[in-house]
Amino acid sequence: NAGVTQTPKFRVLKTGQSMTLLCAQDMNHEYMYWYRQDPGMGLRLIHYSVGEGTTAKGEVPDGYNVSRLKKQNFLLGLESAAPSQTSVYFCASSYQGQQPQHFGDGTRLSIL
Amino acid sequence: GQQVMQIPQYQHVQEGEDFTTYCNSSTTLSNIQWYKQRPGGHPVFLIQLVKSGEVKKQKRLTFQFGEAKKNSSLHITATQTTDVGTYFCAGRAAGNKLTFGGGTRVLVKP
Repeated sequence: NAGVTQTPKFRVLKTGQSMTLLCAQDMNHEYMYWYRQDPGMGLRLIHYSVGEGTTAKGEVPDGYNVSRLKKQNFLLGLESAAPSQTSVYFCASSYQGQQPQHFGDGTRLSIL
Repeated sequence: GQQVMQIPQYQHVQEGEDFTTYCNSSTTLSNIQWYKQRPGGHPVFLIQLVKSGEVKKQKRLTFQFGEAKKNSSLHITATQTTDVGTYFCAGRAAGNKLTFGGGTRVLVKP
């Protein structure tokens, strides 16, 4: 039982490049979330999904897109990476919206 | 929008001492969750508080939800080196998403 798995774990991009971060959960959770974590700022919600085929904007959605084509997967895309998007990205899932969230190990993304 | 503030941002504690970290919300919360993140790790759920004035204990950790449901605290007794990490509170207003505080980073001096 792997829980929440994020790939890749590390990535370095050049400004303007695009990439997709993958999150997979094997707990049959309905809700999935993407956060970014910057020093001293806690976790900020980028986008979230309340079920397969649905997505919604969080606190800091600009510059990111997401898709939830399958219940177990939640993809985060950066269309044109900017240095301000250098951060640690965490994916999380929960059975329902009020339930505790289970986090993946994170993706450390650097944009030069 | 909803804001959740945590103080202090950093807490240096001598091993064996007690300390408290505080969480304050700009709006009334329906519930509050606490998470712990070890250095280099990911946040791990500790506990959820729902009722006004609720107090829950986990070994040396005591969590409290304020009477007005706008603040919470985490008290750790007899701090150990295993308590090192960042503690986040996350508050949810009615019908809203979870909003994380900035965290309290705990450093333990042996």
